[in-house]
Amino acid sequence: NAGVMQNPRHLVRRRGQEARLRCSPMKGHSHVYWYRQLPEEGLKFMVYLQKENIIDESGMPKERFSAEFPKEGPSILRIQQVVRGDSAAYFCASSPLRGGTEAFFGQGTRLTVV
Amino acid sequence: GQQLNQSPQSMFIQEGEDVSMNCTSSSIFNTWLWYKQDPGEGPVLLIALYKAGELTSNGRLTAQFGITRKDSFLNISASIPSDVGIYFCAGPPSNNNDMRFGAGTRLTVKP
Repeated sequence: NAGVMQNPRHLVRRRGQEARLRCSPMKGHSHVYWYRQLPEEGLKFMVYLQKENIIDESGMPKERFSAEFPKEGPSILRIQQVVRGDSAAYFCASSPLRGGTEAFFGQGTRLTVV
Repeated sequence: GQQLNQSPQSMFIQEGEDVSMNCTSSSIFNTWLWYKQDPGEGPVLLIALYKAGELTSNGRLTAQFGITRKDSFLNISASIPSDVGIYFCAGPPSNNNDMRFGAGTRLTVKP
């Protein structure tokens, strides 16, 4: 049983470029959450998706950030025109049920904007 | 609103000591989850609680779901160096399906 897979583990982007972060949930999980973590800080909720639907994106900046979870394939968190302040670790978690019960995390993608 | 207040923010203890941390909210939670995060890794689920008053153990870890459904605590007995890390409480508020996290308790264990 593969766990939640995130890739890439590390991503370096120049200011103004686009960053695409991928998350493949555990088998049988149709709920995905994305979180952002700055160094020495906690996990900040960004977006909650179910297959083909965005359920709650209240934690996501309104500009430059978008997320999707298509019927086939991984969930994607997309950051356009990255700025230095976007540098952080981005984690996704997947759950088989609505409500995040026993959600399992990937190892994260560490984005560095230079 | 749906903030989770986790305390203490950090703890420095001697190996062998017991540890206690807690999480409170102004909202009612249906589930309480406790995670541990090692440096450079994603959080790992330690204990899940589903009923008010429930007390669950996982080795040296014990967690309880508060009767009011607005709090939970985690105890670690006889701490060892590998207990070092950040411990997060999390859960979906009953009026919401998202999963929210506390700010974490950073545990340092001195040998």
